Amino acid sequence: GQNIDQPTEMTATEGAIVQINCTYQTSGFNGLFWYQQHAGEAPTFLSYNVLDGLEEKGRFSSFLSRSKGYSYLLLKELQMKDSASYLCAVRSPGGGNKLTFGTGTQLKVEL
Amino acid sequence: SAVISQKPSRDICQRGTSLTIQCQVDSQVTMMFWYRQQPGQSLTLIATANQGSEATYESGFVIDKFPISRPNLTFSTLTVSNMSPEDSSIYLCSARQGRETQYFGPGTRLLVL
Repeated sequence: GQNIDQPTEMTATEGAIVQINCTYQTSGFNGLFWYQQHAGEAPTFLSYNVLDGLEEKGRFSSFLSRSKGYSYLLLKELQMKDSASYLCAVRSPGGGNKLTFGTGTQLKVEL
Repeated sequence: SAVISQKPSRDICQRGTSLTIQCQVDSQVTMMFWYRQQPGQSLTLIATANQGSEATYESGFVIDKFPISRPNLTFSTLTVSNMSPEDSSIYLCSARQGRETQYFGPGTRLLVL
């Protein structure tokens, strides 16, 4: 089976750094995705990790440890517009390499 | 990147009727998928839309309730059949282009009365 865990909610201050964790137990692994979803909108692709280590893309970075079944999304220099839900998704081989999503972390950025 | 459009963007339907949602991608993609998102919850995969053959459904979803077509590499439809209020949800089309990216359409917001 597939199990993907994320914190339900997080609050951070504008200008700060926040780390959103994701742990997974899945039958097979073929990459981990992070998406951002603002209320009432479609998910927007943020990052993809398939090898261990840190991938940096501007203010956003994503880390993966396959042996620990663990990933995090790091958001730097937080802005009010970063208030959104952040979804961790794992791709598993077989069956079209489908994505299974975690429940999402609702991030609120405050002044 | 692929741009995905869906029609309709929203609808209000009566119990017992059916609604067909269309998904159009602006470029050829390898895989297309249909997801459902209940209010305040994450995304659940309904099925993988296979070009020229029957869709592959996830546990809990069946073809009679959610028939899917994919006649070519850029277009797919999802029908929600014999609707009930429990089918009220957001339905999202998704497409994979290459190994590292998977995009989502804007979603169809369905309310069943």
